[in-house]
Amino acid sequence: DAKTTQPPSMDCAEGRAANLPCNHSTISGNEYVYWYRQIHSQGPQYIIHGLKNNETNEMASLIITEDRKSSTLILPHATLRDTAVYYCIVLTNAGGTSYGKLTFGQGTILTVHP
Amino acid sequence: SQTIHQWPATLVQPVGSPLSLECTVEGTSNPNLYWYRQAAGRGLQLLFYSVGIGQISSEVPQNLSASRPQDRQFILSSKKLLLSDSGFYLCAWSGTGRATYNEQFFGPGTRLTVL
Repeated sequence: DAKTTQPPSMDCAEGRAANLPCNHSTISGNEYVYWYRQIHSQGPQYIIHGLKNNETNEMASLIITEDRKSSTLILPHATLRDTAVYYCIVLTNAGGTSYGKLTFGQGTILTVHP
Repeated sequence: SQTIHQWPATLVQPVGSPLSLECTVEGTSNPNLYWYRQAAGRGLQLLFYSVGIGQISSEVPQNLSASRPQDRQFILSSKKLLLSDSGFYLCAWSGTGRATYNEQFFGPGTRLTVL
């Protein structure tokens, strides 16, 4: 699986948009970008994923650059409850040995402050 | 809607004692089930996954075993705990289609401390 690079920490004011970047310059054509988050002492939570088109759901938006080498997770109106570690991972959905096997790196610690 | 339960929430066990952690899923049929461990300050490690009753795949050799006696029940066990078994144990489920394997939904976890 392609390696991802995320900033170790970010701050965001409550009510503002939180934009979390992720670099995945070695991503291959059949690999998707997935985002999870983990609030302290809880299990990880799936947020969103995409291949090459931008995606939006009730939690967030995912913007993937045209060359697919980087992406940004956007939480449009961050709340205090969005304070968590956010993980960007790259996985194939095409079968093989890597799908279904989530491996989190260090992620980005997002702190939303009042 | 689907829910996933794990118990106990916390557990303190002596070295050499047995272990049994249970995970159950509601609101879905024939899910893929996963056991992960998250050691303190470290990332997530997949321990076992199951695509059906009685079907268990182990990702890493270790002191643990898993069983799936019913469709929506996944059990993690050990006969003799080691200090290195301490960690946060997470159960997860996903759909069975290739496009859904990586969308996993996690339980609240069990924090195990082996003394």
